[in-house]
Amino acid sequence: ETGVTQTPRHLVMGMTNKKSLKCEQHLGHNAMYWYKQSAKKPLELMFVYNFKEQTENNSVPSRFSPECPNSSHLFLHLHTLQPEDSALYLCASSQGYRGSNGYTFGSGTRLTVV
Amino acid sequence: QKEVEQNSGPLSVPEGAIASLNCTYSDRGSQSFFWYRQYSGKSPELIMSIYSNGDKEDGRFTAQLNKASQYVSLLIRDSQPSDSATYLCAVWGGRGGATNKLIFGTGTLLAVQP
Repeated sequence: ETGVTQTPRHLVMGMTNKKSLKCEQHLGHNAMYWYKQSAKKPLELMFVYNFKEQTENNSVPSRFSPECPNSSHLFLHLHTLQPEDSALYLCASSQGYRGSNGYTFGSGTRLTVV
Repeated sequence: QKEVEQNSGPLSVPEGAIASLNCTYSDRGSQSFFWYRQYSGKSPELIMSIYSNGDKEDGRFTAQLNKASQYVSLLIRDSQPSDSATYLCAVWGGRGGATNKLIFGTGTLLAVQP
């Protein structure tokens, strides 16, 4: 257990469904991140939150909608996804916005869009 | 040019040998460097960080940084089958620190043969 908890671990959804991914960190960190990991590609940063304020949206399609109610919780709301959105979605947190001490990752949500 | 480049492998080494994993980065202003280990189906786990030129040792792992050559490496001594995983190189703080995010390489798959 890394101190960053993601649920669900696996998710299968249709293209017309709406679902949400949840991330919670118990490390007292103040920055949280969503990453997408597809096969044969580098980890892609999607969103950055610092003290629950969004500081970066890395040109992510609007079918992905993040929410950060406080520094410990992060959500990723999904709607009308495409099959190419199937991937491992990783949440991470860090102490200090600049993250120079590295990130701590959650166990990820394996998403399959059918 | 990719920001962080790694050979995707697989790198195959016999048990007990030294595994050498390499990474180059494009932004000369990068400040912090990390190695993550990712087992199949799991999330990345931070195993080493290095911030200044030279070597940093932690148990069987040694990270080496050469900022002039924009090169960072990870040596694993006495490799064990349990070291078989994908090793991700991550770089932070490019553009003189203006880039406040970790940039990941695609990872090198290491296979330690018993």
